[in-house]
This record gives sequence, structure tokens and C-alpha cells, in this order.
Amino acid sequence: NAGVTQTPKFRVLKTGQSMTLLCAQDMNHEYMYWYRQDPGMGLRLIHYSVGEGTTAKGEVPDGYNVSRLKKQNFLLGLESAAPSQTSVYFCASVAGDETQYFGPGTRLLVL
Amino acid sequence: KQEVTQIPAALSVPEGENLVLNCSFTDSAIYNLQWFRQDPGKGLTSLLLIQSSQREQTSGRLNASLDKSSGRSTLYIAASQPGDSATYLCAVNDYKLSFGAGTTVTVRA
Repeated sequence: NAGVTQTPKFRVLKTGQSMTLLCAQDMNHEYMYWYRQDPGMGLRLIHYSVGEGTTAKGEVPDGYNVSRLKKQNFLLGLESAAPSQTSVYFCASVAGDETQYFGPGTRLLVL
Repeated sequence: KQEVTQIPAALSVPEGENLVLNCSFTDSAIYNLQWFRQDPGKGLTSLLLIQSSQREQTSGRLNASLDKSSGRSTLYIAASQPGDSATYLCAVNDYKLSFGAGTTVTVRA
């Protein structure tokens, strides 16, 4: 039981490049979330999903897209990376009692 | 919009002292409140979740209280240890989670 895993752990992009972050959970949770964490700003919700095939916008969705083709996977895409997207990205899945389980994070640097 | 505040931003105590961490929120119409621990360079680990109908929740040396009417929650950590050094975040759920910026705790041996 690995819980929530994230791939990759660290990535450097040039402005304008694209990439996809993968989140996987093996707890059969319906709800999954993508957050970004920036110094002094706490965690902010980017997008979320309430089940396979569904996605919705969070607080800061601009510049990101998501997909939930399989229940266990939640993908976050950056179509054209910008320096403002330099951040640490966390994925979380939610248990039935509403406890959120977080992955270890992906550190992204956009030059 | 829900605003979540954690004061102080940082705290340093000697080993053995009890820790008191504060969290305040602006909208009392919440479903639950969750406390997390984050170690440097790591993800968040859930410590305690308090439902809106509860007044407190306990796990080992940790105790969290919730006063919805005043928009406050307090996390108590008894007999602190150096291993308790971390950043503690609270998150309020009012259809989505809103996080505080956290309190960074250092426990000195």
C-alpha cells in the first residue's frame, strides 16, 4: 500500500515548455486534489476531481489542465510553462472520513 | 472567502514544554477542520480531523479543540520533543480546504 505517489520528484523547465505531473493513489478514493505551495502563501487549490472522468477548477486554475481517466490517477498538465508556475505541487486524495492524504510533492522550477 | 490565519509564524521552545498552536478562520460555516504536519521537503501528514459537531479530538500527546462560534482552533502538543520540530498547518473545510500559512516549530534539546 503505497498511499499517494507523485512523479516526477523534481523538474526544471524552460519557459514555454510543457509537462505532465502524475499523481497515483491505491486507496480507492473518489476525490483527488492538486495544490501548489508557495512561500508565505500556504497551499492553494488548482483543480480537483470528485470521481473518474470528472474535474473542476479550484482557486488558481489558470495555466493548468487536468484529467482523471482512471480512478487511481490524476494528471496535472502545464501547456506552456511560465516562471510564475515555479512552485511545489502536491496531490492529495480524500478518504471517506474526509481525511486528506498527501503525496510527497513535485518541485518545479521554470526558467 | 474563507481566510485562515496561524499565529505565530514561528515558535521555539525547550524540550519538555507544552506547545500551543493557534488557528483562526473567518467563516464559521465549516464542515470540519484538519491539522497537518509538514517536515522540510516533504508532503503533509494528517494529524487530527475535527468534525464541525465536535469540540475536540485527541491522539496520543496531541489534542485539538474547535470553537466554531469564535472561529478558532487550538492544537496542543504535550511534553514536546525534538522530533516534534516541523511546520504545523491547519485547514478549514467549507466545501473546499483553505489552508493557513503554518507555524514552524523548533523544539530545542
